[in-house]
Amino acid sequence: DQQVKQNSPSLSVQEGRISILNCDYTNSMFDYFLWYKKYPAEGPTFLISISSIKDKNEDGRFTVFLNKSAKHLSLHIVPSQPGDSAVYFCAANSGSSNTGKLIFGQGTTLQVKP
Amino acid sequence: DAGVIQSPRHEVTEMGQEVTLRCKPISGHNSLFWYRQTMMRGLELLIYFNNNVPIDDSGMPEDRFSAKMPNASFSTLKIQPSEPRDSAVYFCASSRRGGGNQPQHFGDGTRLSIL
Repeated sequence: DQQVKQNSPSLSVQEGRISILNCDYTNSMFDYFLWYKKYPAEGPTFLISISSIKDKNEDGRFTVFLNKSAKHLSLHIVPSQPGDSAVYFCAANSGSSNTGKLIFGQGTTLQVKP
Repeated sequence: DAGVIQSPRHEVTEMGQEVTLRCKPISGHNSLFWYRQTMMRGLELLIYFNNNVPIDDSGMPEDRFSAKMPNASFSTLKIQPSEPRDSAVYFCASSRRGGGNQPQHFGDGTRLSIL
């Protein structure tokens, strides 16, 4: 039973345009959400996070939106750059407050074309 | 600052052999996590520690897997005996303890191949 789902395995975007990566979750107890970026042969790198008390968090070119009623979050990258090409993982805290345990989605491979 | 350090980066061994993966977390981090990544199952949590104490090992697939954290700066994940289906990339991550609102920082992983 996949509690965090990234339904698009891949996404291709032209340089300079907006990239939108989507993530859905099923557990209403999740209260903290993160996005990680992963390059080949490296570990995932933390990108941006959002708490369930907010609906938007922005950091430079990266913005995460949270829609709690829809149990949906998205990552927007504007403008997209070729260096953004990587696998993006959505993750959620398992909701037991102090556990720190994260549940990851399957990942979306983003390709930004020059 | 040094990140999470994992060794070895690659391990190739024959079925039945003991495999030991090592991890040095970021200094000052109180929580340590071991993950396994496969094509079929994605990134799944195996076990995690808070202040060197194992908190949740429900993700450990079998008794062949064991993990220890003898001190705040070192952890091992051991597989004995190893099997071909254990082939995967194993990641270690650490974070400051503080509930869920602390991002985890990952090492670059150990790519394990069991022949």
